[in-house]
Amino acid sequence: QVQLVESGGGVVQPGRSLRLSCAASGFTFNTYPMHWVRQAPGKGLEWVAVTSYDGNNKYYADSVKGRFTISRDNSKNTLSLQMNSLRAEDTAVYYCARSGVAGTGVCCYMDVWGKGTTVTVSS
Amino acid sequence: DIVMTQSPDSLAVSLGERATINCKSSQSVLYSSNNKNYLAWYQQKSGQPPKVLIYWASTRESGVPDRFSGSGSGTDFTLTISSLQAEDVAVYYCQHYYSTPYTFGQGTQLEIK
Repeated sequence: QVQLVESGGGVVQPGRSLRLSCAASGFTFNTYPMHWVRQAPGKGLEWVAVTSYDGNNKYYADSVKGRFTISRDNSKNTLSLQMNSLRAEDTAVYYCARSGVAGTGVCCYMDVWGKGTTVTVSS
Repeated sequence: DIVMTQSPDSLAVSLGERATINCKSSQSVLYSSNNKNYLAWYQQKSGQPPKVLIYWASTRESGVPDRFSGSGSGTDFTLTISSLQAEDVAVYYCQHYYSTPYTFGQGTQLEIK
């Protein structure tokens, strides 16, 4: 079945780096835009980044621009999020999500979500 | 950036009654070239990832009960649950995907009265 499984979360000190991964299965990964969305403890959802199906187009939330990099390896059906210069406010559950429409730039809504991986930034 | 504002922040409705959640965008999310509203609704139950209920403002996702419906256009949208069931207790979010950043509303907590 269609599945997304995130990994790589953990506890990290402010200013350090962490790399999240998302393993996709059950669908043709290289035809879908993919997103990262996060949720701070007890808070709402925050869209983080999106990459086009081919990885050529990437967009970020202002809160992470210049610090986070989204990437994908279509040969391995894997989405990644490289997080540098981490701050306390980056503490959240990070979800990987599939766009609901294949092959449409960086659109659209998210129709498949992973269970999330928790990142805690603390000294 | 487009700001999404939901109302109310929380809502308590009796079982079997109608629940209505509103979402307003700071600018239109209607794409004139295809006449589609780039607006989705999600349900998030405690301890679970979000689940898409409605996209293109009014298209129900496969498998979503027909008591859930979406309406509206331009900047004003509504999610309606026609007859509230116990399993509908959750936080509901609207989100636009008109242009990046794809912002969410702050969420509406729905409870049973």
